[in-house]
Amino acid sequence: NAGVTQTPKFRVLKTGQSMTLLCAQDMNHEYMYWYRQDPGMGLRLIHYSVGEGTTAKGEVPDGYNVSRLKKQNFLLGLESAAPSQTSVYFCASSFQGNTEAFFGQGTRLTVV
Amino acid sequence: QQQVKQSPQSLIVQKGGISIINCAYENTAFDYFPWYQQFPGKGPALLIAIRPDVSEKKEGRFTISFNKSAKQFSLHIMDSQPGDSATYFCAASDGSNFGNEKLTFGTGTRLTIIP
Repeated sequence: NAGVTQTPKFRVLKTGQSMTLLCAQDMNHEYMYWYRQDPGMGLRLIHYSVGEGTTAKGEVPDGYNVSRLKKQNFLLGLESAAPSQTSVYFCASSFQGNTEAFFGQGTRLTVV
Repeated sequence: QQQVKQSPQSLIVQKGGISIINCAYENTAFDYFPWYQQFPGKGPALLIAIRPDVSEKKEGRFTISFNKSAKQFSLHIMDSQPGDSATYFCAASDGSNFGNEKLTFGTGTRLTIIP
């Protein structure tokens, strides 16, 4: 049982480059989330989805886009990477919004 | 606007002691309060959670105390062990806001248990 899988685990980007982070879950969860974790800032919600085909903005959505074309996948896109987007990104999924959230292993992204 | 405030930022406790981490929230509609544990290089994992119909929940050495009137909840780790050294996050969500019940996290507490 894989749970929540994030791809890639590490990435270095140059300023202005674009990339997509992939999150896949095999628990048939409706809710999926993208968080970023920065020292002293905790986990901040970027975007989330409450079901296939839906997306919504979280606390820090600027500079990111998401898509949920399939229930099991949630993609996070950076159109034009900036050094301020250097962070550890976590994907999570849950059955409902106020039930246990299962997290992936994280993606460490560095923008130079 | 920080809806969930967590303290302290870091905590050092001797082995066998009690570790206490506190959180306070603003939104009175919050009705689900989980604690997550995160080891270095790993994603957070649910440790224990409470809903406001009870004031305390205990699972092994871990206890959540919840004070609805003060809008505060805390995590107590009894007989703290070196293996408990990790970062702990409190969180909260509003289950009545269907389709929008996203988890809001505190800023985290780095706990170190020393021999």
